[in-house]
Amino acid sequence: DAGVTQSPTHLIKTRGQQVTLRCSPKSGHDTVSWYQQALGQGPQFIFQYYEEEERQRGNFPDRFSGHQFPNYSSELNVNALLLGDSALYLCASSLRGTGNYNEQFFGPGTRLTVL
Amino acid sequence: AQSVTQLDSQVPVFEEAPVELRCNYSSSVSVYLFWYVQYPNQGLQLLLKYLSGSTLVKGINGFEAEFNKSQTSFHLRKPSVHISDTAEYFCAVSPLSGGYNKLIFGAGTRLAVHP
Repeated sequence: DAGVTQSPTHLIKTRGQQVTLRCSPKSGHDTVSWYQQALGQGPQFIFQYYEEEERQRGNFPDRFSGHQFPNYSSELNVNALLLGDSALYLCASSLRGTGNYNEQFFGPGTRLTVL
Repeated sequence: AQSVTQLDSQVPVFEEAPVELRCNYSSSVSVYLFWYVQYPNQGLQLLLKYLSGSTLVKGINGFEAEFNKSQTSFHLRKPSVHISDTAEYFCAVSPLSGGYNKLIFGAGTRLAVHP
């Protein structure tokens, strides 16, 4: 049973460019969340997708956008890249149930470097 | 809003010694509490969680944590550490939100176990 997978593993871009990161959730999961982890810091919540809609959003500008596909996979898009966007981007998947808690499983991340 | 404070950025300890990693949180609503571990160049792995019930929770790899509501703390402990426990540890909270649970992380504590 494959866990959460992310692609690419590493990415180098220059300021002003646009980037797309991809995530495939764990088998059976229907919800995908994205987090940004800057060097030496804890992950910060970007947004969460369920049923192809953004359900929650953290404190990130509109340059950060996402999409969820019918097969539950997801993309994170960042426009007009800034040096400060350099970070490890983590994807987490979960199964939305009827209770309050749905455990999130994390992928290995995509390391984005903006030059 | 919620916030998490990990009181120590680095904790050096000798092998087979006990260790405590401290975590305090702030929230205006009820939250679930978590500890995650991150090994170099990897994603996050759930160590343990507190959802309800007994305030002492046991997790994987011999770790345990105690929830103290009056002190809004959730400290992580292990009675005897191994070299393999060297990693970054993150405390996190998730507000109860009907299944759309985002995680709010602390800045992390680097545990360095020395022989």
